[in-house]
Amino acid sequence: QSVLTQPPSASGTPGQRVTIPCSGSSSNIGSNSVYWYQQLAGTAPKLLIYRNNQRPSGVPDRFSGSKSGTSASLAISGLRSEDEADYYCAAWDGSLRGRVFGGGTKLTVL
Amino acid sequence: QVQLVESGGGVVQPGRSLRLSCAASGFAFSSYAMHWVRQAPGKGLEWVAAILYDGSNKFYADSVKGRFAISRDNSKNTLYLEMNSLRAEDTAVYYCASTDGVATPGYFDYWGQGNLVSVSS
Repeated sequence: QSVLTQPPSASGTPGQRVTIPCSGSSSNIGSNSVYWYQQLAGTAPKLLIYRNNQRPSGVPDRFSGSKSGTSASLAISGLRSEDEADYYCAAWDGSLRGRVFGGGTKLTVL
Repeated sequence: QVQLVESGGGVVQPGRSLRLSCAASGFAFSSYAMHWVRQAPGKGLEWVAAILYDGSNKFYADSVKGRFAISRDNSKNTLYLEMNSLRAEDTAVYYCASTDGVATPGYFDYWGQGNLVSVSS
């Protein structure tokens, strides 16, 4: 059971907008920044969003992050076939004194 | 360019020990925090441990506390994970990762290619 909660799956058609939610608590999302990772099949995770809504250089602006209270979400607009991957949210947990991840959401582009 | 290369994985019997290494290059290793993150076959990511840039503070997941030890040698640009009393549930691909901070890092976030540890009799 992961500390952060994500739906196991999500799907959309090319060009559509998809949102992936991530739910936590006051000790993690509620008091620390949220990070989002994309993991393509057979590869290491790649940082998509840092500090709730910031995009590293090279990440398309189709990807955006937001946070409100103890929840966060990743939005992907203009869905493309290459977006098919597993997506994970992460945050520091002050009570556990460690980083916690969501269980991951498998995104399928139909 | 930033490179992180893990080594030391393999098959080990339950109860035995193993040490993973992560060789870093292409960045100022001694200025960045380092993490170990694992992924069991077909499962999600699980953070394992982290160490500050100078080794002054270490953090562990409850699942490995007291069994695993993270350390670093900044003179060799290398991160280590000493794993003792290994269990079947420790079977996973182990990734090392570098970040510019532990709790609220910025965009500096790089991962190695991963190294498989299989605990089996």
